[in-house]
Amino acid sequence: GAVVSQHPSRVICKSGTSVKIECRSLDFQATTMFWYRQFPKQSLMLMATSNEGSKATYEQGVEKDKFLINHASLTLSTLTVTSAHPEDSSFYICRGGTGGLAGELFFGEGSRLTVL
Amino acid sequence: DQQVKQNSPSLSVQEGRISILNCDYTNSMFDYFLWYKKYPAEGPTFLISISSIKDKNEDGRFTVFLNKSAKHLSLHIVPSQPGDSAVYFCAAQSSNTGTASKLTFGTGTRLQVTL
Repeated sequence: GAVVSQHPSRVICKSGTSVKIECRSLDFQATTMFWYRQFPKQSLMLMATSNEGSKATYEQGVEKDKFLINHASLTLSTLTVTSAHPEDSSFYICRGGTGGLAGELFFGEGSRLTVL
Repeated sequence: DQQVKQNSPSLSVQEGRISILNCDYTNSMFDYFLWYKKYPAEGPTFLISISSIKDKNEDGRFTVFLNKSAKHLSLHIVPSQPGDSAVYFCAAQSSNTGTASKLTFGTGTRLQVTL
């Protein structure tokens, strides 16, 4: 089946640095990529939706200047957490697809970010 | 405001028995529901879905029931197997018209199937 590869799976960084998370669709063209964040014992919360070649649409309360999303190609979308702070420590996960039914979109493996 | 709720954070079931995972929602605009299964260090994988025009959908050992009046759905796994041990997420969306769409997730239920 279709696979979305997400890297890195774990990252630890110092406060104030920026971290880039990549999601690649390996055998399909992901026209749409959703980015989620999950805090411990909470549900996956949608941060933003990106479509290839256009600006991402951010959910209410998500700072677009802090969480930079780039979807420059049909196989790669990136999320950059800029000037990370300890409160940004979370599990970030992407979900991509070609616009089919919701069950036909595929999650990446997730990235656990820890900001010291 | 948690629009999709899974009130049981964990569930333990003996192998061979039925596992019942529950999910409640508050948004009456939701009309398509999905269950995902997640193993540690992996992304969630799609398991089964149901449209609001149905009240039951079955796929092998997995059956999802939808009670629209109660805004409740449940996932039944029978017979349960040790490999079913995972975290199960309920998710909902307001349209299933064939376009990639936003999902609202529950907090998950950790299922442990014991020998």
